[in-house]
Amino acid sequence: QQQVKQSPQSLIVQKGGISIINCAYENTAFDYFPWYQQFPGKGPALLIAIRPDVSEKKEGRFTISFNKSAKQFSLHIMDSQPGDSATYFCAANGGGGSQGNLIFGKGTKLSVKP
Amino acid sequence: KAGVTQTPRYLIKTRGQQVTLSCSPISGHRSVSWYQQTPGQGLQFLFEYFSETQRNKGNFPGRFSGRQFSNSRSEMNVSTLELGDSALYLCASSLPAGELFFGEGSRLTVL
Repeated sequence: QQQVKQSPQSLIVQKGGISIINCAYENTAFDYFPWYQQFPGKGPALLIAIRPDVSEKKEGRFTISFNKSAKQFSLHIMDSQPGDSATYFCAANGGGGSQGNLIFGKGTKLSVKP
Repeated sequence: KAGVTQTPRYLIKTRGQQVTLSCSPISGHRSVSWYQQTPGQGLQFLFEYFSETQRNKGNFPGRFSGRQFSNSRSEMNVSTLELGDSALYLCASSLPAGELFFGEGSRLTVL
């Protein structure tokens, strides 16, 4: 119940294409769903986040779609660029009344080909 | 504004030894969280501190411990190191209910 399942493990997209990464969760108590981007040798950095009272959130080329009834959420990267090549993690807050306790998916390695 | 600073960045230890990792949060951030990152298990929550108090703890053995000082700096300690403790240890700081800002991590290799 405390897991966040992420797919696919890896993704190859052509420049200009749409990258889609999916996550699913079981615990309906989760109320904060961030996406993190990590480049090699760096720590994860927050990309975009959503709460379950909203079905979609867009920031530039990045969009989160959230389906509360299906307990699924996804990240869409429009017009994917080679600079987007990184590992992406979805997460959910693990409870305890804070956002410091995150449960992460296993990650998706995205490669955008020029 | 300086980011989250972790020291040391790299270290090598042998089985049975103990290690202490340090984290200096972003100025003004009083919450510090620690995560372990490995290729097999991914990112796993270790513990979270706020105002010197441990607020949450992940599912790790008692060999993993941490603390936070009055200036919000934090340390984590791993005693009796095992080969499986080889990992990237990440520290993150935040404002209350704010986003996590991660450091670049301390890469621990246990031989």
